[in-house]
Amino acid sequence: QKEVEQNSGPLSVPEGAIASLNCTYSDRGSQSFFWYRQYSGKSPELIMSIYSNGDKEDGRFTAQLNKASQYVSLLIRDSQPSDSATYLCAVTRFGNEKLTFGTGTRLTIIP
Amino acid sequence: DAGITQSPRHKVTETGTPVTLRCHQTENHRYMYWYRQDPGHGLRLIHYSYGVKDTDKGEVSDGYSVSRSKTEDFLLTLESATSSQTSVYFCAIGLAGQETQYFGPGTRLLVL
Repeated sequence: QKEVEQNSGPLSVPEGAIASLNCTYSDRGSQSFFWYRQYSGKSPELIMSIYSNGDKEDGRFTAQLNKASQYVSLLIRDSQPSDSATYLCAVTRFGNEKLTFGTGTRLTIIP
Repeated sequence: DAGITQSPRHKVTETGTPVTLRCHQTENHRYMYWYRQDPGHGLRLIHYSYGVKDTDKGEVSDGYSVSRSKTEDFLLTLESATSSQTSVYFCAIGLAGQETQYFGPGTRLLVL
């Protein structure tokens, strides 16, 4: 079992719809969770971090964390073609500087 | 790119040759990391550093060494490059007391 699992996709979503990306993790000691966006040929770019159970909203992005079920998700509202990218989930234990990444979900927004 | 540069950005080399990749940061961050990214494997940590001359291994450190003699520079060396080390290499920095990491632009390495 991988430590951090994501559906590789591709996930296709119509423009203007909600894109839902999911990530599960195996280490119950994980405390910090991150979503990165990576455009083809570019480096990962941090878009969200979440540390507590529940929802955290930032513009069109909402991160959701459920530690009991060991999953974290990212919702993108009003999806735009510019959201087409690979989304990487990363987790770490509190105070541990080493991130563990999932393999990413490739998202395509269809105009 | 949070003040991070990587050099070279692209490199083609032959099996058995030594290769050194450089990561340079301008903001005096304590933590620096080297990752490789391969299809189907995602980002995997090679080595990291938590200060000058303080380094430790990641999950895929075999065949790689690192050095950090100055805060701003973190070097990754492939002592004798192999074709399995063909990859995209990313450097990242981390702020002290935070788990957040920011990535450099990457180096594409092809080992023939």
